[in-house]
Amino acid sequence: DTEVTQTPKHLVMGMTNKKSLKCEQHMGHRAMYWYKQKAKKPPELMFVYSYEKLSINESVPSRFSPECPNSSLLNLHLHALQPEDSALYLCASSQGDGSYEQYFGPGTRLTVT
Amino acid sequence: GENVEQHPSTLSVQEGDSAVIKCTYSDSASNYFPWYKQELGKRPQLIIDIRSNVGEKKDQRIAVTLNKTAKHFSLHITETQPEDSAVYFCAPKPDSNYQLIWGAGTKLIIKP
Repeated sequence: DTEVTQTPKHLVMGMTNKKSLKCEQHMGHRAMYWYKQKAKKPPELMFVYSYEKLSINESVPSRFSPECPNSSLLNLHLHALQPEDSALYLCASSQGDGSYEQYFGPGTRLTVT
Repeated sequence: GENVEQHPSTLSVQEGDSAVIKCTYSDSASNYFPWYKQELGKRPQLIIDIRSNVGEKKDQRIAVTLNKTAKHFSLHITETQPEDSAVYFCAPKPDSNYQLIWGAGTKLIIKP
């Protein structure tokens, strides 16, 4: 399996809702990433997990809470989001052993109303 | 930290012609230089990459060249086709961690 999968594909949520984004890979990769991408902009790194431990948090607001239950799964818990958080949320993975190629999932299109 | 500049921001070429996109970086310790292609509404897709100990790499119609002295690397696409229309991002990696530093992107338009 050479794919990163993400669910859901689309999500609409109100500012008081709690929701979660899910990401899964079965390539044996040990590094996993969350990115946020606004229209016509490059992906913006949010979090990096390396060997299931949070290694990078790019000063992301606490309304975004990552979780790595095991080496194949990555979650992003959302709470009390703002309309400006509407974006494409991309998950990626890489081998984490000195191989740097990052492989992206299809993303979740999030709309906050 | 790493500063990345990508040029041009938009490139329009006739189908069949060649396209070249350039990426300049500031961190001389950067050691990995990938190019990603992102079609509208799709995920970024790694199309070619190069390591710091190699000057050029080719894969069919796509090539990447690296000039470490001048701190820039370029994407070359020959015999362009309509399906090459997309946004292309460079994303050099500093030596320190897993993080990629993304360029602003180049929108490539292939004119029929």
